[in-house]
Amino acid sequence: DTGVSQNPRHKITKRGQNVTFRCDPISEHNRLYWYRQTLGQGPEFLTYFQNEAQLEKSRLLSDRFSAERPKGSFSTLEIQRTEQGDSAMYLCASSLSVATNEKLFFGSGTQLSVL
Amino acid sequence: LAKTTQPISMDSYEGQEVNITCSHNNIATNDYITWYQQFPSQGPRFIIQGYKTKVTNEVASLFIPADRKSSTLSLPRVSLSDTAVYYCLVGDIRGNTGFQKLVFGTGTRLLVSP
Repeated sequence: DTGVSQNPRHKITKRGQNVTFRCDPISEHNRLYWYRQTLGQGPEFLTYFQNEAQLEKSRLLSDRFSAERPKGSFSTLEIQRTEQGDSAMYLCASSLSVATNEKLFFGSGTQLSVL
Repeated sequence: LAKTTQPISMDSYEGQEVNITCSHNNIATNDYITWYQQFPSQGPRFIIQGYKTKVTNEVASLFIPADRKSSTLSLPRVSLSDTAVYYCLVGDIRGNTGFQKLVFGTGTRLLVSP
């Protein structure tokens, strides 16, 4: 078990640029989540995949945000035309659906700074 | 909208037992209670999960009264490394996918001093 891996750990970009983050979940996990966290706040849910299907999207996820999980393995989160308000920690989590006792395993996140 | 309420912060000393209480008045029948721990610049880490009564693992205990409207995370003999933010979450099982849209509140910042 190598854990959930996220790359890059840090990203600094200029306003208006596009950025893409990658998440590699624990290999046998079929569920994958993206969360966003700002300083002093708890993580906010963005979107959820079961295998390759994106089953849930938060209203926080504007049309500038898109997430994919091709083949139900790794996932990418892209932000187009970044804004300063997008600056946050982007967290990925994965889980193996087993009845109701679901445990999420989080990565260390990608810290995005939009200048 | 967070479904839980917990203290913003708590202070303790090494070796003491710490109890963090979470209120979840609107917990539903299918909801489980889960606690996560988060250190700076890291993602949250699962600590313990329960439905009712008491659950204990190698890290903590979780006490849930019969009405399930609250729960208490108990950390025995804390150390400096237990300084972290602790989140109480109520699981919302939804539909056939069993999807849990976990809602994190602002958590409880625990500071353990020497």
